[in-house]
Amino acid sequence: GAGVSQSPSNKVTEKGKDVELRCDPISGHTALYWYRQSLGQGLEFLIYFQGNSAPDKSGLPSDRFSAERTGGSVSTLTIQRTQQEDSAVYLCASSPPGTGSYNEQFFGPGTRLTVL
Amino acid sequence: AQSVSQHNHHVILSEAASLELGCNYSYGGTVNLFWYVQYPGQHLQLLLKYFSGDPLVKGIKGFEAEFIKSKFSFNLRKPSVQWSDTAEYFCAVNAQDTGRRALTFGSGTRLQVQP
Repeated sequence: GAGVSQSPSNKVTEKGKDVELRCDPISGHTALYWYRQSLGQGLEFLIYFQGNSAPDKSGLPSDRFSAERTGGSVSTLTIQRTQQEDSAVYLCASSPPGTGSYNEQFFGPGTRLTVL
Repeated sequence: AQSVSQHNHHVILSEAASLELGCNYSYGGTVNLFWYVQYPGQHLQLLLKYFSGDPLVKGIKGFEAEFIKSKFSFNLRKPSVQWSDTAEYFCAVNAQDTGRRALTFGSGTRLQVQP
């Protein structure tokens, strides 16, 4: 079946511009996560959605970052007034509904953002 | 807040050599532990996970990991590596008793297996 998809795969933008990154989770997955991976570093959590709500947005680095999810499916991560330090690979993951405190997260291919 | 340390940043092995990648985490509560792998040009995928029970867990492709609670460790092992194991490996932890769903990842270990 289809996995998590993200678009665009690559984005080059100029400092100060706004960008939108899109994530399509696996169908039926209720939880959605955004992470970013900067060069030479591990993945850093940004935000978690359960349905359309974001009970944990503790990883968003500044108020320039926002995200929304509509219809319990597609999510958009928006970065306003991009800075060079925003350059990273932005990864989206989703997980299915289920009991217990945790379900496996399935990752997408990522969007590589380069801010010039 | 929890953190994850992967001590080996880059490991080079010959085929058939044994592998052990270190992972230590800092969190005193109940944890879920994971190893993810990213093969060249591919997505992150789950290699194995520990939630509870037997601390020795087996994953795909002959990998296993042992949870040693007293050492806060979850090292990844494989008795005999293959060239196809060349990839980047990430250890991750979830603080189960906080109710948070986020994973905290280590910085990764790049494994290069030489034929």
